[in-house]
Amino acid sequence: DAGITQSPRYKITETGRQVTLMCHQTWSHSYMFWYRQDLGHGLRLIYYSAAADITDKGEVPDGYVVSRSKTENFPLTLESATRSQTSVYFCASSPGRSDTQYFGPGTRLTVL
Amino acid sequence: LAKTTQPISMDSYEGQEVNITCSHNNIATNDYITWYQQFPSQGPRFIIQGYKTKVTNEVASLFIPADRKSSTLSLPRVSLSDTAVYYCLVGSSNYQLIWGAGTKLIIKP
Repeated sequence: DAGITQSPRYKITETGRQVTLMCHQTWSHSYMFWYRQDLGHGLRLIYYSAAADITDKGEVPDGYVVSRSKTENFPLTLESATRSQTSVYFCASSPGRSDTQYFGPGTRLTVL
Repeated sequence: LAKTTQPISMDSYEGQEVNITCSHNNIATNDYITWYQQFPSQGPRFIIQGYKTKVTNEVASLFIPADRKSSTLSLPRVSLSDTAVYYCLVGSSNYQLIWGAGTKLIIKP
């Protein structure tokens, strides 16, 4: 089905482990984004990508790594998870820079 | 760099018009303003976007005064299903994305 999906939807991991969150969109949108949303707070941009092989830092990039080898996929990796990275992570995509962003359902990550 | 400020929460009643204002004092000429709606356990969903004056679609209106230092999302005749968190977003030409902290809107019967 067309849309934007995230996997896993829920993840529990331990401090120090590497975790990768997946994001896949079927619209061939150029732009993709990763946000984190802490309980009761707004969205903070982690990284974004304007096209395959083009990525840039957002507001809170430390501790995260992204890649975009294909237009449709934009994985987010926590290289060594910390408790402060416990959050809900949202992926989004948009056709152009100023266009509507379409959000995935989110991944709830808990770091113990 | 623009900073956005929204009320933390608002209450209203079914059938009323609700106006939520976002302040963005340092908005640049080419920055656009977008509003999103978020229900619990879901990603935000686009409501409306504009640069200046007034924009209207099937669900909302967006009012932006000439100085563009604020914007107001207007929801006509709200229902219980409009209970959600509403975010304003200022997007700049250098691709800074400044999200507001969100306004929790509670609609009462």
